Amino acid sequence: GENVEQHPSTLSVQEGDSAVIKCTYSDSASNYFPWYKQELGKGPQLIIDIRSNVGEKKDQRIAVTLNKTAKHFSLHITETQPEDSAVYFCAALTAALIFGKGTTLSVSS
Amino acid sequence: DAGVIQSPRHEVTEMGQEVTLRCKLISGHNSLFWYRQTMMRGLELLIYFNNNVPIDDSGMPEDRFSAKMPNASFSTLKIQPSEPRDSAVYFCASSSGDDYYNEQFFGPGTRLTVL
Repeated sequence: GENVEQHPSTLSVQEGDSAVIKCTYSDSASNYFPWYKQELGKGPQLIIDIRSNVGEKKDQRIAVTLNKTAKHFSLHITETQPEDSAVYFCAALTAALIFGKGTTLSVSS
Repeated sequence: DAGVIQSPRHEVTEMGQEVTLRCKLISGHNSLFWYRQTMMRGLELLIYFNNNVPIDDSGMPEDRFSAKMPNASFSTLKIQPSEPRDSAVYFCASSSGDDYYNEQFFGPGTRLTVL
């Protein structure tokens, strides 16, 4: 079955810096890759997603890139702000949505 | 809309007891997902319903777990008998559409502790 690896598990940056979270997947049939943000005490919330026919997608300060050949995709957050502090999950879809283990992002001001 | 509603928010019970978690979907949504989140295993899909019908229950751990959708807007996840290893945060999520490609809206979760 599908396996999703996510790195790093924790990431600390200064406000204004960029943050990059990387995920790899095992099933080449995976065709949909959403990213979720989970704040303390809340459920995950979709922040951006990308399909396998697209190499990059951007939404304001957030972007996702996909390399199908290498089977990896990344989340890029520019100009980080303290409110970006949360746990971020990547996921890959084949028969079902498989999530990575999460990255705890801390943005200090 | 109030979003996905889950109850209770916290549940503490003793091993062997029956536990029932409840979820109310967002109005108009027709897909329902139950997830379990632990530090060790992360976020795992337990079961997926579409139009009240279970589509994928391959993630349900064992026969102690059962899920139902008695109507289009409500679901329950039951654990009987509960065990300490069932301790986790359980989320339900709903979406509009008939597959995994539509945005899933998660509830706030139920934190279950089995002593």
